[in-house]
Amino acid sequence: EAQVTQNPRYLITVTGKKLTVTCSQNMNHEYMSWYRQDPGLGLRQIYYSMNVEVTDKGDVPEGYKVSRKEKRNFPLILESPSPNQTSLYFCASSFSNTGELFFGEGSRLTVL
Amino acid sequence: AQKITQTQPGMFVQEKEAVTLDCTYDTSDPSYGLFWYKQPSSGEMIFLIYQGSYDQQNATEGRYSLNFQKARKSANLVISASQLGDSAMYFCAMREGGSYGGATNKLIFGTGTLLAVQP
Repeated sequence: EAQVTQNPRYLITVTGKKLTVTCSQNMNHEYMSWYRQDPGLGLRQIYYSMNVEVTDKGDVPEGYKVSRKEKRNFPLILESPSPNQTSLYFCASSFSNTGELFFGEGSRLTVL
Repeated sequence: AQKITQTQPGMFVQEKEAVTLDCTYDTSDPSYGLFWYKQPSSGEMIFLIYQGSYDQQNATEGRYSLNFQKARKSANLVISASQLGDSAMYFCAMREGGSYGGATNKLIFGTGTLLAVQP
C-alpha cells in the first residue's frame, strides 16, 4: 500500500530535549516536505527536499533541521524544542512538483 | 503574495443536503493549481479534488465538485448529498509557483472550514 509513515504519532516532551520525528514514503517520490498545523493558521511549510541531499527552508524553519540521506526518508529534527513548537506536524511527498501531495497521518507534539 | 481565504470558520448542513464551502485565492501567476483536503477528527489529511488553472471544465470526484470561477478567483467545494461521515475540517490550498510547483512544491493553505453534518 502506498503511504507516508510518520513516527511518533503522539509525543509529549520537555523544553530542550532533542527529538526526531521520522518520515518514510514507499512511493519512490522525489519531493518531500514538512508542514506544521496550528489553529487559525492552516498548514505552513517548514522544510522541503527536492531529492537526496537537496533540502531548503520553507516559511517557518526556525528551530528545525532536516536531512535527506535516502530518497525514502526525511526526518524532522528539533535540536532544542520549545513550547512554541507544540503543534501538529505533517510530512508530505509527491513524485514531481506537479503531482498530488500525499500526507502522512500527522504527529502531534507537545513541548512542556 | 499568494493567499488563500476561507471565510467560513464553521458550517452546519442537514444530512442528504448539498453544501458549498467557499474559497477565494489571490495570485499573479497565470498558471496555478487548487486543491481541497479533508481533515477528520482523527487528524489525517485526505486529498479530495484538484483543479488546474487551465482546466476547461470544473473538476468532479464522486460527490465532490469544484466550482471554479477564474475571473472571481474563487474555487468553492460543493459536496452533494451530505453524509454524517463528511463532518470534518476542510482546507482549500493553492500550489505556489503555478501548476508547476517549482523547487518548493509548496501548498499554501487557507485556515479551514469546520463542517458539521446533522442527522
